Amino acid sequence: TQLLEQSPQFLSIQEGENLTVYCNSSSVFSSLQWYRQEPGEGPVLLVTVVTGGEVKKLKRLTFQFGDARKDSSLHITAAQPGDTGLYLCAGEAIFGNEKLTFGTGTRLTIIP
Amino acid sequence: ETGVTQSPTHLIKTRGQQVTLRCSSQSGHNTVSWYQQALGQGPQFIFQYYREEENGRGNFPPRFSGLQFPNYSSELNVNALELDDSALYLCASSPDKNTEAFFGQGTRLTVV
Repeated sequence: TQLLEQSPQFLSIQEGENLTVYCNSSSVFSSLQWYRQEPGEGPVLLVTVVTGGEVKKLKRLTFQFGDARKDSSLHITAAQPGDTGLYLCAGEAIFGNEKLTFGTGTRLTIIP
Repeated sequence: ETGVTQSPTHLIKTRGQQVTLRCSSQSGHNTVSWYQQALGQGPQFIFQYYREEENGRGNFPPRFSGLQFPNYSSELNVNALELDDSALYLCASSPDKNTEAFFGQGTRLTVV
């Protein structure tokens, strides 16, 4: 079973600050996805990265896939209260029966 | 709004009982996956169905079983409920096996 470790587990920062969330594994993934989940709802897909070294931007969010396709990062610039939520990375396995392996999650709180 | 709906939204069952959770996928989505999300953790893959046949299974015991129907609905059945089965159960549908998945809002199961 592939494991995805996210750090930090909890993060609370002031509005306007920048932050980075990390997602690390010893396994190689064919693709990696980032989701945001709000209380009482299912995860919502933010982005999918498939190529080692790939960088994708979604407004103030920047996603990077590691060169070896084992790790990824999410950087948020000028955080806003609406960014508050649980951020999950999920890797799609190359081999095996498990489809999406989710990370442990980072709970982000932006203080107005 | 992902077009994926789950029922019921909340459920309380007694240890040893059986439960059936339901998911209605988007029309045309041939693939449905079920996940278990314990409090404070990322979702864990239970199994996936593609065109009504199981297409991969995670590390869950046989008392977790599923069905997918031709009308794009599916079920997750859990027998002999244990206290540790208390969690948010999520279904996710996608047009094909390895395409973007859309999550429902989940069913919160509490076993007492």
